Amino acid sequence: DVKVTQSSRYLVKRTGEKVFLECVQDMDHENMFWYRQDPGLGLRLIYFSYDVKMKEKGDIPEGYSVSREKKERFSLILESASTNQTSMYLCASRPRDRGNSPLHFGNGTRLTVT
Amino acid sequence: DAKTTQPTSMDCAEGRAANLPCNHSTISGNEYVYWYRQIHSQGPQYIIHGLKNNETNEMASLIITEDRKSSTLILPHATLRDTAVYYCIVMARGNKLVFGAGTILRVKS
Repeated sequence: DVKVTQSSRYLVKRTGEKVFLECVQDMDHENMFWYRQDPGLGLRLIYFSYDVKMKEKGDIPEGYSVSREKKERFSLILESASTNQTSMYLCASRPRDRGNSPLHFGNGTRLTVT
Repeated sequence: DAKTTQPTSMDCAEGRAANLPCNHSTISGNEYVYWYRQIHSQGPQYIIHGLKNNETNEMASLIITEDRKSSTLILPHATLRDTAVYYCIVMARGNKLVFGAGTILRVKS
């Protein structure tokens, strides 16, 4: 089974802090994604990466950056956390193929910024 | 990008089949239909996907109409642990799965 592991289930950070959310997958997938999920807004794509050191902006990249130094690891960075970044963050991965393989998600990190 | 329409909520008796409908009338020829579910406070779990033929795996069956404008996810013998939000998704361009509001399925004993 594909395993996508997010380092923390719950995080509480203060406004202005730099926050790192880590995600590791064990299936040698080329594509990795960061989403945030908010009530009434569904899942929204922040960034994705289709290879090491490659990244693409999703629908809501403002206030975020990402890092993909190794194939198995994709990090989401909040340079200066703000209260409107309080959310559930979900990491996902998928192999590079014809494009119909499903995404596999981690269990999420619930971030609270105070 | 094709959008999907699902009922807001459904109830199902434990042990009975749960049939969850989805409309995707603007789906294009090369877009797949995916189903995920999400149990409270967990990440979305992949269930099944298909293009035009019906599909079955250990979790569920997917029935896609011949014109591909709608589909039905079937959980053959629903249990209480199947209570979740079920999302029907059509794969958008550029790796961007677009999640809608989904259907809240409540399995009752």
